[in-house]
Order: sequence, then C-alpha cells, then structure tokens
Amino acid sequence: GAVVSQHPSWVICKSGTSVKIECRSLDFQATTMFWYRQFPKQSLMLMATSNEGSKATYEQGVEKDKFLINHASLTLSTLTVTSAHPEDSSFYICSARRGAADTEAFFGQGTRLTVV
Amino acid sequence: GEDVEQSLFLSVREGDSSVINCTYTDSSSTYLYWYKQEPGAGLQLLTYIFSNMDMKQDQRLTVLLNKKDKHLSLRIADTQTGDSAIYFCAESKPGFQKLVFGTGTRLLVSP
Repeated sequence: GAVVSQHPSWVICKSGTSVKIECRSLDFQATTMFWYRQFPKQSLMLMATSNEGSKATYEQGVEKDKFLINHASLTLSTLTVTSAHPEDSSFYICSARRGAADTEAFFGQGTRLTVV
Repeated sequence: GEDVEQSLFLSVREGDSSVINCTYTDSSSTYLYWYKQEPGAGLQLLTYIFSNMDMKQDQRLTVLLNKKDKHLSLRIADTQTGDSAIYFCAESKPGFQKLVFGTGTRLLVSP
C-alpha cells in the first residue's frame, strides 16, 4: 500500500506559539489531502480538504485563520496551528488520495499536539 | 444527515468471533470502509465494500452490508489479542471527496 508520513509524531508547545505539522505522501502523488482532528476516545472529525495548488476547503466551524493549510506540492501538505491554546491540544491525522477516483485514503500515523 | 453510529465497546475471548456493527443514515454513500486504530497511531484500512454489494470476505474478515436498513457489520473470525484496537466504520460520497467516520468501537480481546 501507499505510505503517508506525518511529522512530528508529537509536539509540545507554549500557548501563543504556532506549530506546523507536515504530511507527506512518500511513494505516490496525492492530488487531495485531508486533515482530521481526534479528541481522546472520540471519532475523527474532518477539518479541511486540500487540493494541490488551490485553497483548502474547510468544514463548518473550523477557523481558517487558526488552522492554516498549505498544499504546495503533490507530495506535501502542511497544517499550521496559529497562536495555539490548550484547547487546541489534540491528535491530528492527515490522509491522502492518489486521485479523484481512488477509493482508498491512506492515513498518516498522526501527530499529538499538547499546548501548555 | 451524515450520522454514522457504532456501539462503543465489545469484549470477546481469544478464538471467538467478533461482530462490530455500524449504522449510517446517508443513502447516497458509495463506499463503506472499516479502519483499525491502535493506541496513539493512525488508521489502517482493513477492508471496504461498494454500496451495491451485500458481502465481502477477506481472510478472517467478513463485511455484510444491508443497504435497505443502512447497516454494516464487520465479522472477525478467530479473534486474536492483536486484534484489540478501535474499529471505525466510514462512508464516502460520490466523488470520494471525504470520509465520514463512525463513533468507533473499542474491541478488547482477552486470552
């Protein structure tokens, strides 16, 4: 199967700072990448869908200015949590599709963000 | 609506079969998926089924789909302790643009 890698796996940051999480498709080109957020013992909530070279589409209730998504190449998407606060602490997971007709989405291993 | 519901918890003994259930509300779903998540890790795709199929079998895994009742199940035969994890069902819409995940079922397999 295709491999999606997230970096870092975990990060601790101070309130008010910004944190960037990278999502890379290692052995395929991903036209579409998705960013999810997962709270402890809960399901995955889609935050946004990003297509290479265009602006991300955010789900209702997700602050665009808070969670900046960039999909500058076919193998890399980044999520930047700006001015992080403790309530932003969560598990963030990305996934990627190879193409519009691909039935399978490949997931990264996730990034645990803790804001202190 | 896009509600996907699962029972929260299932406990079985090693060697028994496990059946994890999922109900969804959106009849336009095209594909339905089962994912496995181990602690602190991402999601691993186990299997998926196209919405016009009733059943799919893949080694120890059997997926049953009742489209009329919007009910999906995953049966794991000869469950092992390594199968202990959280299992999510998910549905995708035409165009596959996003997945909607269920609430997750925590499977605990005891020796």
